[in-house]
Amino acid sequence: QVQLQESGPGLVKPSQTLSLTCIVSGGSIRSGSYFWHWIRQHPGKGLEWIGNIYYSGSTYYNPSLKSRVTISVDTSKNQFSLKLRSVTAADTAVYYCARATGAASLDDWGQGTLVTVSS
Amino acid sequence: QSVLTQPPSVSGAPGQRVTISCTGSSSNFGANYDVHWYQQLPGTAPKLLIFDNNIRPSGVPDRFSGSKSGTSASLAITGLQAEDEADYYCQSYDNSLSGVVFGGGTKLTVL
Repeated sequence: QVQLQESGPGLVKPSQTLSLTCIVSGGSIRSGSYFWHWIRQHPGKGLEWIGNIYYSGSTYYNPSLKSRVTISVDTSKNQFSLKLRSVTAADTAVYYCARATGAASLDDWGQGTLVTVSS
Repeated sequence: QSVLTQPPSVSGAPGQRVTISCTGSSSNFGANYDVHWYQQLPGTAPKLLIFDNNIRPSGVPDRFSGSKSGTSASLAITGLQAEDEADYYCQSYDNSLSGVVFGGGTKLTVL
């Protein structure tokens, strides 16, 4: 049973870069069967897809965030990461990492981590 | 404004049947992409409830069922229980956005 765990600072200052890592255990991120996703949820709101990455490094991003987002993968550490640049209070959200089979369902999720953007 | 449209809320009494609709367009459901459904209990991460339109992952009760037709999909819950009170989200892939899209979510209240 794969497990995903988000880690990173819970507080980021405006204009800085939000950096999170998703540590994958119980399965290899090198498996060609899966895509690895980041999703966020603003307080009291719905789910917003940020982007995903394949183990080879191929990425796909939400067009609304594409100019500020970079998702990368480290197969040696079995983890993948999110960087969101130039954050504002509007980026305050719970950030989830998840695993999906291709363009299909998000089968496994991390527990989520709240990131607050505030000075 | 979400790409997939869901009603903000639905409610039902214990034992009743409720349905949650999810309306898409020609670039997602109409392009033959599947719909998937998630249940999010308060304070927890979303959990996959239905995948590929109508398939339940292991452990999901058969009280939950899904369907898709044309540019619309729906989730049905029969024999409503207090523990079903949660937010429900539909999800698919959109080829005009080249990415994953979600519905805005539906809050289910068990009366």
